[in-house]
Amino acid sequence: QKEVEQNSGPLSVPEGAIASLNCTYSDRVSQSFFWYRQYSGKSPELIMSIYSNGDKEDGRFTAQLNKASQYVSLLIRDSQPSDSATYLCAVKGNNNDMRFGAGTRLTVKP
Amino acid sequence: KAGVTQTPRYLIKTRGQQVTLSCSPISGHRSVSWYQQTPGQGLQFLFEYFSETQRNKGNFPGRFSGRQFSNSRSEMNVSTLELGDSALYLCASRDSMNTEAFFGQGTRLTVV
Repeated sequence: QKEVEQNSGPLSVPEGAIASLNCTYSDRVSQSFFWYRQYSGKSPELIMSIYSNGDKEDGRFTAQLNKASQYVSLLIRDSQPSDSATYLCAVKGNNNDMRFGAGTRLTVKP
Repeated sequence: KAGVTQTPRYLIKTRGQQVTLSCSPISGHRSVSWYQQTPGQGLQFLFEYFSETQRNKGNFPGRFSGRQFSNSRSEMNVSTLELGDSALYLCASRDSMNTEAFFGQGTRLTVV
């Protein structure tokens, strides 16, 4: 089992729709969770961090964490073509290293 | 505040050679992590340095090594390059062990 798993996609949504990205992790003691966006040919850019169970909203982005289910998700409301990118889920484990999922490629169609 | 700086941006090396990559973290950040990114494997953790000490290491062969200097700048070295080492190498800095990581632009290494 991979430490951090994501559906590789591609996930395609129409402009204005909600994009839902999911991530599961195996290390039950993980405490910190992050979502990064990576445009093609660029480096990952941090867009959200979440540490407690529940929802965290930042503009059009909402991160959701359920530690009991070892599940993290990212919702993007009112998706725009500029949101088309690969989204990486990252989990900081008990020994403080950050492990990444393989990423989900999102395409938002005008 | 300047971001994470990686040099060089691009490198072409021949099999069997060695290479050294450099990473300057955000000012005040003491933790530097290195990652290898390839299309097939995604982002793979290489190692992390904090205050000149290697804190964590991923599952890579001993040909991959690193170090961190007193000013928190870090270098990564790969010896006896193989074709499979062709990848984007990313470094990320954090201001402590418990906060978000910020990435540099990466060094794209091509081994021919």
